[in-house]
Amino acid sequence: KAGVTQTPRYLIKTRGQQVTLSCSPISGHRSVSWYQQTPGQGLQFLFEYFSETQRNKGNFPGRFSGRQFSNSRSEMNVSTLELGDSALYLCASSSGQRTSGTTDTQYFGPGTRLTVL
Amino acid sequence: KNQVEQSPQSLIILEGKNCTLQCNYTVSPFSNLRWYKQDTGRGPVSLTIMTFSENTKSNGRYTATLDADTKQSSLHITASQLSDSASYICVVSGSGGYQKVTFGIGTKLQVIP
Repeated sequence: KAGVTQTPRYLIKTRGQQVTLSCSPISGHRSVSWYQQTPGQGLQFLFEYFSETQRNKGNFPGRFSGRQFSNSRSEMNVSTLELGDSALYLCASSSGQRTSGTTDTQYFGPGTRLTVL
Repeated sequence: KNQVEQSPQSLIILEGKNCTLQCNYTVSPFSNLRWYKQDTGRGPVSLTIMTFSENTKSNGRYTATLDADTKQSSLHITASQLSDSASYICVVSGSGGYQKVTFGIGTKLQVIP
């Protein structure tokens, strides 16, 4: 099975711009979660999508949004970029079949490195 | 506030030696604890997952232990290899879904020849 893929791998934007990141989960997985990783904060949960619906959400401002398509591919959008948005954005897929979603094994993609200048 | 603290922050060991990484958490009520390995420039890879009733789980040379009473976990690496150089992240999930997933900052391990 192919693993989780993320595009693009690297991105450079300037403050105020917006960006869209893409994630293709492992075939058959219906849950896609997004995380932000920075050296000082570690991994922080953004949101999770399951069957095209946002099932869980972390504590990030509304500038961060996402969606999931019928083929389970997911996109994450960040509007009005700020310097502090520079980070590695990771997506993870899982079957998502358990109600809570927290005991599924998650498989992470390689991440998209976003730099905001 | 739910917290996950890992120690040490970084560690350098000689190839072939053993090492133990620590994870203390305050997440309550507890659901499960996972250890991930993250190579530089790559996404994390799951090593072990333990629920409340499990106190040890092995994955090859990696052995994780859990003491739910003291809210402590450790990851023991046996006979380290150069490929073990990575960050090791402890992740604790509480009951109630992703809103209560708390990540540690990680321990950066470097194995030198």
